[in-house]
Amino acid sequence: NAGVTQTPKFRVLKTGQSMTLLCAQDMNHEYMYWYRQDPGMGLRLIHYSVGEGTTAKGEVPDGYNVSRLKKQNFLLGLESAAPSQTSVYFCASSYSVRSNYGYTFGSGTRLTVV
Amino acid sequence: AQSVSQHNHHVILSEAASLELGCNYSYGGTVNLFWYVQYPGQHLQLLLKYFSGDPLVKGIKGFEAEFIKSKFSFNLRKPSVQWSDTAEYFCAVCLDTGTASKLTFGTGTRLQVTL
Repeated sequence: NAGVTQTPKFRVLKTGQSMTLLCAQDMNHEYMYWYRQDPGMGLRLIHYSVGEGTTAKGEVPDGYNVSRLKKQNFLLGLESAAPSQTSVYFCASSYSVRSNYGYTFGSGTRLTVV
Repeated sequence: AQSVSQHNHHVILSEAASLELGCNYSYGGTVNLFWYVQYPGQHLQLLLKYFSGDPLVKGIKGFEAEFIKSKFSFNLRKPSVQWSDTAEYFCAVCLDTGTASKLTFGTGTRLQVTL
C-alpha cells in the first residue's frame, strides 16, 4: 500500500548512543517532515525538506540532524541521544507547496532514551 | 509566529452526546486549517480541512468544523459521538504563503466516549 513507512517502530537507546530513523514514502511527494510528539505538547516540527538535497530547521532542531539524499527518503539522526529525546517521532510527507492537500503521516517510532 | 490553542485537554462524553472541540489560532493573514485524529496506537489521519470557500466544512465520520475568521476559530463538531470516536484530536494551522507548507499543531484534545 502507498504511504509513509517509518523504521524502526520501537527503539531503546542508552544516553550518548546514536541512531538513525528512516522515513520512506512512495507517493512522489516533494515535501517531507519530522515531528516529535510529547504528552501535552502536541506535535512539534524538528526538521523538514522541500525537495531532494534540501533540508531546513523546524521548531525544535537541536540535537537532531537530517538528510534527504533521495526524494523518497528522509533520515533523522540523533548523534548523542539524551533522555529529553524520549518521544514518539512521526514522519510526514505532502504533495504540494500548498498545504491544502494535507499531510500523510507514518505510523511513528517510539524512542526511549535511558 | 503562528500558534494554535486547544483549550480542552481532556473531554469525556457519553455515547450520543454532542461534541464541540475548540481551536483558536493567532495569525491575521490567510490560513489553511486542519483537524487531524489519532486513534490509540495509530498515526494521525486527516479529518477535514479548510482553505477557502464555505466556512462550514464537512469531513469524514460525520465530523464538521466551522471557520469563523472574526474569532480566529475553527471548532470541530459532531452531533452524536460514538464509542469509536475515542481518540486524540489535533487542530493545525498553516500560513498560506505559497512557500513550503509547515503545519503548526495544537496540543491536542483527548476525547473519551463512554458507553
